[in-house]
Amino acid sequence: SQQGEEDPQALSIQEGENATMNCSYKTSINNLQWYRQNSGRGLVHLILIRSNEREKHSGRLRVTLDTSKKSSSLLITASRAADTASYFCATAGTGGFKTIFGAGTRLFVKA
Amino acid sequence: GAGVSQTPSNKVTEKGKYVELRCDPISGHTALYWYRQSLGQGPEFLIYFQGTGAADDSGLPNDRFFAVRPEGSVSTLKIQRTERGDSAVYLCASSLRGGLAGWDEQFFGPGTRLTVL
Repeated sequence: SQQGEEDPQALSIQEGENATMNCSYKTSINNLQWYRQNSGRGLVHLILIRSNEREKHSGRLRVTLDTSKKSSSLLITASRAADTASYFCATAGTGGFKTIFGAGTRLFVKA
Repeated sequence: GAGVSQTPSNKVTEKGKYVELRCDPISGHTALYWYRQSLGQGPEFLIYFQGTGAADDSGLPNDRFFAVRPEGSVSTLKIQRTERGDSAVYLCASSLRGGLAGWDEQFFGPGTRLTVL
């Protein structure tokens, strides 16, 4: 079964607005990664946050990690139509070698 | 440089047949992963290689699935006696050091869409 669970399952916003996606997981992790997938480019790595980090930024992306709540959030600021895609969180556990992906959040940004 | 490549891009086969899916990782990447993805779902882990060895094959659904990476570069995922439920997009990814670096960024290939009729 998938360890990561994203919330919401789908999100529709206007261009320029911010989009926030959440991810929850179940067991201890080494790190958590966010990926984007669209039909044109496949799965692309966005950002990696390690278990000893609480927040990380990359351009318009901001990721937070709360290991006590076993949750993470991805914030995309000033969204663009090109941000339309599915976003997945993926966890690398401490007890094995698997990378576990959630079911994803489908983001639609209207121009 | 070149990214991860997968061949074929599409494979249609009949139930009961044998298929091989190939993955060429980024040169120099020691870690290689196979996933499969069904429509509307996230990638499902199948197997992880560190070099030539399968460090974790716990995601392989049953013994019809097997993967090799004999020289630590190209990998082949082999599926025997295919079933309709095997239909999915099979994704390959590679990373520079994998578990040796506390898990690093994975670079994904475009996938092979397998359809079992």
